[in-house]
Amino acid sequence: AQSVTQPDIHITVSEGASLELRCNYSYGATPYLFWYVQSPGQGLQLLLKYFSGDTLVQGIKGFEAEFKRSQSSFNLRKPSVHWSDAAEYFCAVGPPGGTASKLTFGTGTRLQVTL
Amino acid sequence: DTGVSQNPRHKITKRGQNVTFRCDPISEHNRLYWYRQTLGQGPEFLTYFQNEAQLEKSRLLSDRFSAERPKGSFSTLEIQRTEQGDSAMYLCASSRTGAENYGYTFGSGTRLTVV
Repeated sequence: AQSVTQPDIHITVSEGASLELRCNYSYGATPYLFWYVQSPGQGLQLLLKYFSGDTLVQGIKGFEAEFKRSQSSFNLRKPSVHWSDAAEYFCAVGPPGGTASKLTFGTGTRLQVTL
Repeated sequence: DTGVSQNPRHKITKRGQNVTFRCDPISEHNRLYWYRQTLGQGPEFLTYFQNEAQLEKSRLLSDRFSAERPKGSFSTLEIQRTEQGDSAMYLCASSRTGAENYGYTFGSGTRLTVV
């Protein structure tokens, strides 16, 4: 069965520092990969997605993620964190092939930004 | 594009009562999804529709849960005989079919508290 692991439950970084959130997945084939962000009491917003091709993908709000097939990882990065980035971040996988049926989410990483 | 709308935002109910939530997707999106998110967890897939057809249901969706999407527009999720374990955020999302559109637009959710 597919699964997503986000090993860091909570991360604290200083504003202006770089950020990397880890995501590892278990899937039969290379899945479609996503990162979402959720602010308190809100729904989820898509940051970026990977289907195929270039393994470094750019997203909104200055985020990027790198797919590494050998490590089954899809880590999210940002060079310089802003206080408004404080939120919960979820990695998700979906079945390849464009059926867009359902996603499997990790348990999330809560990001705290100190000023 | 007015986004995905969910009502109510919050619902407090007594154990044993029935509750119904509504989701209005983005108008041109033919797929609609329901997820459940408990505290400290990522969203878990419940069910999804393509137009008015319910194409997949999770094992999480017990016989107390029923979802409908009449006429392929809005959707309702009903929980009968609520239990305390049903307390969660219920998220609705919508999308178009097709790999290029993969990745949902989520609503802000309905938070259910069963007392």
